[in-house]
Amino acid sequence: SQKIEQNSEALNIQEGKTATLTCNYTNYSPAYLQWYRQDPGRGPVFLLLIRENEKEKRKERLKVTFDTTLKQSLFHITASQPADSATYLCALGDSGGGADGLTFGKGTHLIIQP
Amino acid sequence: DTGVSQNPRHKITKRGQNVTFRCDPISEHNRLYWYRQTLGQGPEFLTYFQNEAQLEKSRLLSDRFSAERPKGSFSTLEIQRTEQGDSAMYLCASLGGGLEQFFGPGTRLTVL
Repeated sequence: SQKIEQNSEALNIQEGKTATLTCNYTNYSPAYLQWYRQDPGRGPVFLLLIRENEKEKRKERLKVTFDTTLKQSLFHITASQPADSATYLCALGDSGGGADGLTFGKGTHLIIQP
Repeated sequence: DTGVSQNPRHKITKRGQNVTFRCDPISEHNRLYWYRQTLGQGPEFLTYFQNEAQLEKSRLLSDRFSAERPKGSFSTLEIQRTEQGDSAMYLCASLGGGLEQFFGPGTRLTVL
């Protein structure tokens, strides 16, 4: 069955440094992968999408990479700020590229310390 | 506010009771999704609709769960004969022309 693994424990990063979050998956070939941010008691908020034929995507201080050979995505936040503290979820999309339900990882709890 | 809304935000019920949640998607979004999220886990897909048609149901959606989307607008998720294991956050999301899903704030269900 499909399995998604994200950094299993909370990640503590000093303000101003780059935070790197990992998403590994097995037994699946997603056509795309998404990253979401979730704050306590709230629904996830979409951040970035990367397709299987793309290596890297950027949006402001965010960067995501996608290696379909390694079955891994890395999510980077540069110049991190305390306001970036949240849980970050990796989600795999439909292998056919459609808009079926997403398969989410457990998330990584990121803490940016001032 | 033109985002996804869910009601109620919190629901406490006794085991064995039926509960119903409502989701109002972003206007004109034709796809609507239901997920369940328990503490420390990511959202788990339950079911989704394209307009009024229910296209896919997860194996997590037991016979006690039913979802509807009459007229392709709002959706309801009903859980019959609730069990303590049903305690979770129930999230709704909608999708328009792209692939990013817009989530509502969720309904937190506690079954006593």
